Amino acid sequence: GESVGLHLPTLSVQEGDNSIINCAYSNSASDYFIWYKQESGKGPQFIIDIRSNMDKRQGQRVTVLLNKTVKHLSLQIAATQPGDSAVYFCAENRGGTSYGKLTFGQGTILTVHP
Amino acid sequence: DVKVTQSSRYLVKRTGEKVFLECVQDMDHENMFWYRQDPGLGLRLIYFSYDVKMKEKGDIPEGYSVSREKKERFSLILESASTNQTSMYLCASTSPGGGNEKLFFGSGTQLSVL
Repeated sequence: GESVGLHLPTLSVQEGDNSIINCAYSNSASDYFIWYKQESGKGPQFIIDIRSNMDKRQGQRVTVLLNKTVKHLSLQIAATQPGDSAVYFCAENRGGTSYGKLTFGQGTILTVHP
Repeated sequence: DVKVTQSSRYLVKRTGEKVFLECVQDMDHENMFWYRQDPGLGLRLIYFSYDVKMKEKGDIPEGYSVSREKKERFSLILESASTNQTSMYLCASTSPGGGNEKLFFGSGTQLSVL
C-alpha cells in the first residue's frame, strides 16, 4: 500500500479481477479523504470521497473503506478494466480550518492486463 | 462540466528566467491552489488562495509567488527559474461548503528549466 513519503508501489491485475489499493495516513485530525485517478498526461480526476463519520462508501464499481483505528484507507475497484490503468492517489484534508489543503500520498500504479 | 485550464501544456525555460504559469477556472470557485508533482514525492502544495487578492503559502513556497487579481484566474510565478523547479505543475480549484473539499485539477504544465 501507499504511504506519504515512501516508494511508488505498483499493482498488476488481469482484466475482470477486483483491485484493492491501500493507503496509510498519519493525521488523526483528518476528517475527509479522497481518491484520485491520474492517467498519463492528465491531471488527477476525482473518483470517490469519504468523511470520517463513515466506514464505507460505494460508487460505480468503486468502494472506499476507512479504518480510523489504524488510519487506513482502501480503494476497491470491481471488475477492473484496461481503462482503469492509471496512478491512484489518496488524499486527506488537514482538519480544522485548512479547507481544501489536501495532503496526497505517493500514488499507486495500477496496470490492468487484457 | 467543471473546467480548470492551464495555459501551457509544456514549457522550456532557461535558468534565471521569470516564468508565469496561468490557470483559469470557469466554476466560480473561491479557492484555488498550485501543486507541483514529482516522481516519488506525490503532489506538494506551493501556494493557495481563498479569495481575490488573497494568498497563503503552502508547504513549499520558496522560489515561487502567486497572483490572484480576478476570481477565475490564479497565476504562479517563478521569479528566477532554477533547474530544481523542473516539474509538473498542477492548478486546482474548489468551492467551500457542500461538505466536501474535492479539488478539480487542470491537466498540468510540464516545466523544464535548462
